[in-house]
Amino acid sequence: QVQLVQSGAEVKNPGASVKVSCKASGYTFTTYDINWVRQATGQGLEWMGWMNPNSGNTGYAQKFQGRVTMTRNTSISTAYMELSSLRSDDTAVYYCARSLTGTTAGNWGQGTLVTVSS
Amino acid sequence: DIQMTQSPSSLSASVGDRVIITCRASQSISSYLNWYQQKPEKAPKLLIYAASSLQSGVPSRFSGSGSGTDFTLTISSLQPEDFATYYCQQSYSTPRTFGQGTKVEIK
Repeated sequence: QVQLVQSGAEVKNPGASVKVSCKASGYTFTTYDINWVRQATGQGLEWMGWMNPNSGNTGYAQKFQGRVTMTRNTSISTAYMELSSLRSDDTAVYYCARSLTGTTAGNWGQGTLVTVSS
Repeated sequence: DIQMTQSPSSLSASVGDRVIITCRASQSISSYLNWYQQKPEKAPKLLIYAASSLQSGVPSRFSGSGSGTDFTLTISSLQPEDFATYYCQQSYSTPRTFGQGTKVEIK
């Protein structure tokens, strides 16, 4: 079955960077986009961007342009999201999701809590 | 960017009630609309895709309708496990955008 397994929780200082991984299994990794969505405590869902694992092409939400980088390693079916210049309001659970279109929008990682605190 | 507006933001209902949540897009998105259910500390769960298609394994008491700019999620008979927050999301264009959520609470 399709699974997306994310890396574990992180605690970072303000100004640092964090890199979250998302390992895919159960399907051909290069076939579907990977999206990243975050959710601050008690808040709604916020789309950060997407990556085409086949081409490496990316698209980022304007809010995160210049601070976010989405990459992949196709040999291990893993996508990465790196967020730099962290601030306290970046504290959130970060999710990867296989596409956000059609029935494949049903596959999400378990979430990774990133806490930004000095 | 396409803005998605849900209503209500929260509602109180009893087991067995019929519940309707609406989602409005700021421009036409055809039928590129998903509905998710989210419980605390869990990833969103896809209920409906393409506005009205029921995701595999989702109970038939959930249904979706609409096209263009106006959409609804209906729970025909609310069950105890349905108390959660519901989100709509458009997949018509990037940036993908979500509604602000509707929290369904026990009356």
